Amino acid sequence: DTAVSQTPKYLVTQMGNDKSIKCEQNLGHDTMYWYKQDSKKFLKIMFSYNNKELIINETVPNRFSPKSPDKAHLNLHINSLELGDSAVYFCASSQFSNTEAFFGQGTRLTVV
Amino acid sequence: AQSVTQLGSHVSVSEGALVLLRCNYSSSVPPYLFWYVQYPNQGLQLLLKYTTGATLVKGINGFEAEFKKSETSFHLTKPSAHMSDAAEYFCAVSRTGANNLFFGTGTRLTVIP
Repeated sequence: DTAVSQTPKYLVTQMGNDKSIKCEQNLGHDTMYWYKQDSKKFLKIMFSYNNKELIINETVPNRFSPKSPDKAHLNLHINSLELGDSAVYFCASSQFSNTEAFFGQGTRLTVV
Repeated sequence: AQSVTQLGSHVSVSEGALVLLRCNYSSSVPPYLFWYVQYPNQGLQLLLKYTTGATLVKGINGFEAEFKKSETSFHLTKPSAHMSDAAEYFCAVSRTGANNLFFGTGTRLTVIP
């Protein structure tokens, strides 16, 4: 059983399109995250979300928006995709914010 | 402010040799410290973590790390490298836990047969 799963694993799309990446966790965790890993392997948090609070990294463009239909899902919507959005996006979850995060396998987004 | 520095973006060791991956951090408060491993085309897997208590932390796959406050370091070691250890290793620091992780830029470990 995959603890944190993301779909799709690969996503190739044209500039200007709108796309979504889905994330589901079956760990019963209460907090979920999105991280971006750039071409130099640098990982940076984009959002953290639980049922009470959404925390947004101030460097994230507002074209990116997380949406959580329920506690086990946190999807990432991206509008008007740009070349610079090409990266690997990781979903993660944790039980409370003060424990370790469990990561999904990543979604490699390529904008052409 | 928090930051993590991983010395050496690429480390090569012979199979059976000691693995030492360096991590130094800066944090204004006592930190939570983590090591994650990323195998090719896979997600990050937690190797070990330090929160409080014993400063020598043992993780999975024979890895361990020691929190040294005076040196602001959290180096990762393994006595004997195995071919399957070849991967990218990330050190991370947080003030509170998973919701505030700052990652280093990673160290790619190559194991030479």
